[in-house]
Amino acid sequence: AQSVTQLGSHVSVSEGALVLLRCNYSSSVPPYLFWYVQYPNQGLQLLLKYTTGATLVKGINGFEAEFKKSETSFHLTKPSAHMSDAAEYFCAVRPPNTGNQFYFGTGTSLTVIP
Amino acid sequence: DGGITQSPKYLFRKEGQNVTLSCEQNLNHDAMYWYRQDPGQGLRLIYYSQIVNDFQKGDIAEGYSVSREKKESFPLTVTSAQKNPTAFYLCASSTGAGTGELFFGEGSRLTVL
Repeated sequence: AQSVTQLGSHVSVSEGALVLLRCNYSSSVPPYLFWYVQYPNQGLQLLLKYTTGATLVKGINGFEAEFKKSETSFHLTKPSAHMSDAAEYFCAVRPPNTGNQFYFGTGTSLTVIP
Repeated sequence: DGGITQSPKYLFRKEGQNVTLSCEQNLNHDAMYWYRQDPGQGLRLIYYSQIVNDFQKGDIAEGYSVSREKKESFPLTVTSAQKNPTAFYLCASSTGAGTGELFFGEGSRLTVL
């Protein structure tokens, strides 16, 4: 079965510091990869996704992620944290040719310290 | 604007009552999903549907039921058999093919009194 691991359920960074949220997946076939953001009492919003092609993917709000096949990772980064980045972040995978199922990590709560 | 509408946003229920959560989409997506979210547990799949009149159980289907009579609609019923129904429920849809992502509604928070 597919699994998605997000290391660190809580991450705190200072405003202006680098944001790094980690995501690893278990799959012999590279899946489609996604990062979502969730603000309190709201639905999830897509930040970025990797399907094929360039392994460095840029998303909204200055976030980017790099797909590393050899490490089965898809870590999310942002060079400079802003207070508005405080939210819950979820990594998700969609294995190709498996009936449209998505698998989510347990989420990382990002706190930005002023 | 295209999107997914969930209603109600907040719902209170007495123990032993069934309740139905509404999910409507105007994105012309084939696939629709229901997830349950609890603190610290991420999203867990309850049911999903890839086409009209067809749906499959997810990881935690016990105590829930769904229908998919129209492409646009995928209501979720939380029955009295669900032992711990207090949670945040999220509806989502996708194109059902290719590399499409999930689009989410704003969620419904159910509290059992």
